[in-house]
Amino acid sequence: QSALTQPASVSGSPGQSITISCTGTSSDVGGHNYVSWYQQHPGKAPKLMIYDVSNRPSGVSNRFSASKSGNTASLIISGLQAEDEADYYCSSYTSSSTWVFGGGTKLTVL
Amino acid sequence: QVQLVESGGGLVKPGGSLRLSCAASGFTFSDYYMSWIRQAPGKGLEWISYISNSGNTIYYADSVKGRFTVSRDNAKKSLYLQMNSLRAEDTAVYYCARGRAFWSANYYFDYWGQGTLVTVSS
Repeated sequence: QSALTQPASVSGSPGQSITISCTGTSSDVGGHNYVSWYQQHPGKAPKLMIYDVSNRPSGVSNRFSASKSGNTASLIISGLQAEDEADYYCSSYTSSSTWVFGGGTKLTVL
Repeated sequence: QVQLVESGGGLVKPGGSLRLSCAASGFTFSDYYMSWIRQAPGKGLEWISYISNSGNTIYYADSVKGRFTVSRDNAKKSLYLQMNSLRAEDTAVYYCARGRAFWSANYYFDYWGQGTLVTVSS
């Protein structure tokens, strides 16, 4: 199972919006609605930010939203804040009953 | 509150073995599927295994199949990962993560431990 494709890095200024893409195949991202997104600060464990393509867990800011079209999922962060600077990973359940992660995207808040 | 605490990491020589543990608290452990996910230094996340709440269903990533064995003890609220024939490329922080409740159709990881570092080097 190949890793999902994410851009290595994105950046934005405080208050702006950014989008992180996550491209897979019909066997994972495109095959169902089990895409999730995780935020990871340096030295910390990943934190669930989005599940089932576009749902936010309780406690996650509504500045985080997500969607999917075909084999590509997207995470949108609006109103960028300094605390959003972190690595972001997408993940998808697959048709083989396994999971695959994206390579990760480093978000820099300028 | 949900807590997952990994232990058992350390330095091991290539070809050696190590057993990781994950102690769970704050939820009904026997109701939940659990996974192991690892992260090599400076690299991304890699899912490696999951085990159903009863332990009857287990899946592995191809990268560890035949070398790693996942198990659980619901009475002890603990998850384990037996790692054999370790290679340099197995060097990583290993996280345990909570998956879905047996009655749900969720396919994400909502709680993660802090991780334990495994270093494979001579």
